[in-house]
Amino acid sequence: NAGVMQNPRHLVRRRGQEARLRCSPMKGHSHVYWYRQLPEEGLKFMVYLQKENIIDESGMPKERFSAEFPKEGPSILRIQQVVRGDSAAYFCASSSGQGRTDTQYFGPGTRLTVL
Amino acid sequence: KNQVEQSPQSLIILEGKNCTLQCNYTVSPFSNLRWYKQDTGRGPVSLTIMTFSENTKSNGRYTATLDADTKQSSLHITASQLSDSASYICVVRHYNNNDMRFGAGTRLTVKP
Repeated sequence: NAGVMQNPRHLVRRRGQEARLRCSPMKGHSHVYWYRQLPEEGLKFMVYLQKENIIDESGMPKERFSAEFPKEGPSILRIQQVVRGDSAAYFCASSSGQGRTDTQYFGPGTRLTVL
Repeated sequence: KNQVEQSPQSLIILEGKNCTLQCNYTVSPFSNLRWYKQDTGRGPVSLTIMTFSENTKSNGRYTATLDADTKQSSLHITASQLSDSASYICVVRHYNNNDMRFGAGTRLTVKP
């Protein structure tokens, strides 16, 4: 039973390009969360999705960032026209439900570097 | 101001020694508190979870305590090992299910 998978593990983009980060949740999990971690800082919540629905995107920047979790396939975090400040580690987590004690299982992260 | 503050920011101890990490929070109303361990280059892994009615929870050499009145938690590591070197993150869940507040973490280094 594979854990949360994220790819690519490392991604290098030049300013102005697009970055697409993928997350495959654990088998049986239908809840996905995206977090961003800047160097030497804590994790910051970005967005919470269930299949085909965005439940909470209060942590998403208003522009250039979007996320989806289609009926089939992985969840995608998309960053358009990347800037140097987007360089960070992006973590995806999944859970099986919405219970308050439900555990989020984290993927290994994607490290985005913007040149 | 972050609603979850951790101290110290970093800590170096010798292998075999014990240590205690602190977490103070202002999240209210509070649902539960977790401690995560994050190895360098990896995603966080849950160590313990406590609801407001629990005072202590153990997971092997890790023991977490919670004082919901003073809004403080601690993570005690006994007989530290080199593999304990990691960041330890305190996460407090608001009563609203989607709202989880992450501390900045304590970076622990265990030296031989």
